[in-house]
Amino acid sequence: GAGVSQSPSNKVTEKGKDVELRCDPISGHTALYWYRQSLGQGLEFLIYFQGNSAPDKSGLPSDRFSAERTGGSVSTLTIQRTQQEDSAVYLCASSPFGITDTQYFGPGTRLTVL
Amino acid sequence: ELKVEQNPLFLSMQEEKNYTIYCNYSTTSDRLYWYRQDPGKSLESLFVLLSNGAVKQEGRLMASLDTKARLSTLHITAAVHDLSATYFCAVDPYLIQGAQKLVFGQGTRLTINP
Repeated sequence: GAGVSQSPSNKVTEKGKDVELRCDPISGHTALYWYRQSLGQGLEFLIYFQGNSAPDKSGLPSDRFSAERTGGSVSTLTIQRTQQEDSAVYLCASSPFGITDTQYFGPGTRLTVL
Repeated sequence: ELKVEQNPLFLSMQEEKNYTIYCNYSTTSDRLYWYRQDPGKSLESLFVLLSNGAVKQEGRLMASLDTKARLSTLHITAAVHDLSATYFCAVDPYLIQGAQKLVFGQGTRLTINP
């Protein structure tokens, strides 16, 4: 069956530009998570959605980062005025409703800010 | 702040040998997850450990959880080259109601040589 998909797979942008990263979770999964993986910081939790609601945004690195989810499905992570330190792999995961469910990860979007 | 520490961070082994990866964490939790990541790929779920004393086995890998010691181990038996990957443990510290806010270890890069 279809897993979590993310697009684009690679994104190269210039410093100061805005970027949008997309995540399509597994159908029927109500929970959706965004993580960032970089050499210096390892794997960091950014934000999660339960349905379309994001109760905890404390993991977002700065106010340049925002995320939304529509229809309980697709999510978009937006980074405004990108900086070089935003370069990383952005991973999305989804899980069925349940606090102990396994999270299923997408292939990630590799973001490079020049 | 929850800290999750893995050791070793790098492990080079020969085939057919046994070894153990350790995951220590700094706060109370009985939800621990092990993931595998191949180079350039996303994370694949290996084990979900949800209680003290939990033990799970899949092929040559066995994971266990000791919540009192705040320690999980991933034991590799008679290693084969296909197990070469980076292994992550992740802990859910119960910071979010109804969802998981996983905190990941640094990862253990395992290389198995013929």
